[in-house]
Amino acid sequence: NAGVTQTPKFRVLKTGQSMTLLCAQDMNHEYMYWYRQDPGMGLRLIHYSVGEGTTAKGEVPDGYNVSRLKKQNFLLGLESAAPSQTSVYFCASSSGREYTVGELFFGEGSRLTVL
Amino acid sequence: AQSVTQLGSHVSVSEGALVLLRCNYSSSVPPYLFWYVQYPNQGLQLLLKYTTGATLVKGINGFEAEFKKSETSFHLTKPSAHMSDAAEYFCAVSEPAYNFNKFYFGSGTKLNVKP
Repeated sequence: NAGVTQTPKFRVLKTGQSMTLLCAQDMNHEYMYWYRQDPGMGLRLIHYSVGEGTTAKGEVPDGYNVSRLKKQNFLLGLESAAPSQTSVYFCASSSGREYTVGELFFGEGSRLTVL
Repeated sequence: AQSVTQLGSHVSVSEGALVLLRCNYSSSVPPYLFWYVQYPNQGLQLLLKYTTGATLVKGINGFEAEFKKSETSFHLTKPSAHMSDAAEYFCAVSEPAYNFNKFYFGSGTKLNVKP
């Protein structure tokens, strides 16, 4: 089982460049999430999706956009990268059922450096 | 909004010693509680979770945690540390909801195990 797969795993950008991170899950999960991890700050939610065709903002959405055109994929875009977006990005998914909480399954992370 | 506090960003123990990682949360409703572990350059993996029922929860690799409602705590313990336990540990809480599971993470505790 692949689980949650993120590509690319590493990327270096110059300020102002754009890029897209791809997340794919093969567990038929409804919910998908994008987090960023910075030292001493834990994980902060950027955007999330509760199903195909839906997206919503999390805690730190500014400077990012997302799309979920297919249930298994969740894309995170940076239109104009800034040094403050240097971070490790994690995609996660969980099963969606009313009033229940499924555990999060994480990808291995994508390390992004913006110069 | 929920907040999750992990006391101590770094904890160091000797191999064979007791591991105690602290987690306190703020919640007005009974939450679901999780501990995740992150090994270097990897994503987060679920160690254990509390949803309902028995307040002492056993997880993988000999870890366990106890939900104490009166203290709003969910501390993680392991009787005897092993070198392979060196990693970063994250406490997380979530509240069941109709259409979305939002997870709140602590800032993490790095566990160092000395020979």
